[in-house]
Amino acid sequence: GQSLEQPSEVTAVEGAIVQINCTYQTSGFYGLSWYQQHDGGAPTFLSYNALDGLEETGRFSSFLSRSDSYGYLLLQELQMKDSASYFCAVGNFNKFYFGSGTKLNVKP
Amino acid sequence: EAQVTQNPRYLITVTGKKLTVTCSQNMNHEYMSWYRQDPGLGLRQIYYSMNVEVTDKGDVPEGYKVSRKEKRNFPLILESPSPNQTSLYFCASSTSVRAGEKLFFGSGTQLSVL
Repeated sequence: GQSLEQPSEVTAVEGAIVQINCTYQTSGFYGLSWYQQHDGGAPTFLSYNALDGLEETGRFSSFLSRSDSYGYLLLQELQMKDSASYFCAVGNFNKFYFGSGTKLNVKP
Repeated sequence: EAQVTQNPRYLITVTGKKLTVTCSQNMNHEYMSWYRQDPGLGLRQIYYSMNVEVTDKGDVPEGYKVSRKEKRNFPLILESPSPNQTSLYFCASSTSVRAGEKLFFGSGTQLSVL
């Protein structure tokens, strides 16, 4: 089966850097994705790693290590609007699997 | 504007009363899928469709049906809803499941089954 594990909640202050980890067990997948979801909203795509290493998109970066079955999302220069839930996800053949999500609380 | 449209946004019903949640996308995407979201469990895939008339089960298909008669539409059908199907539902579409093809989500349907 497929399983993705994330911490349930993380708290950080405005302007800081925070890392959200994702460890997975899967028999094979195309790559690791990250989605953001604000309370009451729909998930929106943030980033994708097909290969090992770091992908940077503005204040957000994502990392993948297939040998360690591990990835993370790095958020820099945190802003209040970054308070949301973050999900890692894998696509495997024709299916998508999501982690249970990490709620990020950004404090002033 | 590229979007996935889901209706209704909120739905309250009673056990056993058939209902349909509609989903439509205007991006000519081949891949469409349905998810339910429950606290602490993240998003779980119910059904997916690779193209017109091609559908298959996701992780939690029991109690649900889908159809894909047109490329743009992918309705979710609950023929006899039960209280354990109370959840937040999302429809999503993508060009494909392959590397880098991101999912576009609808705004969600909050379903309560009494």
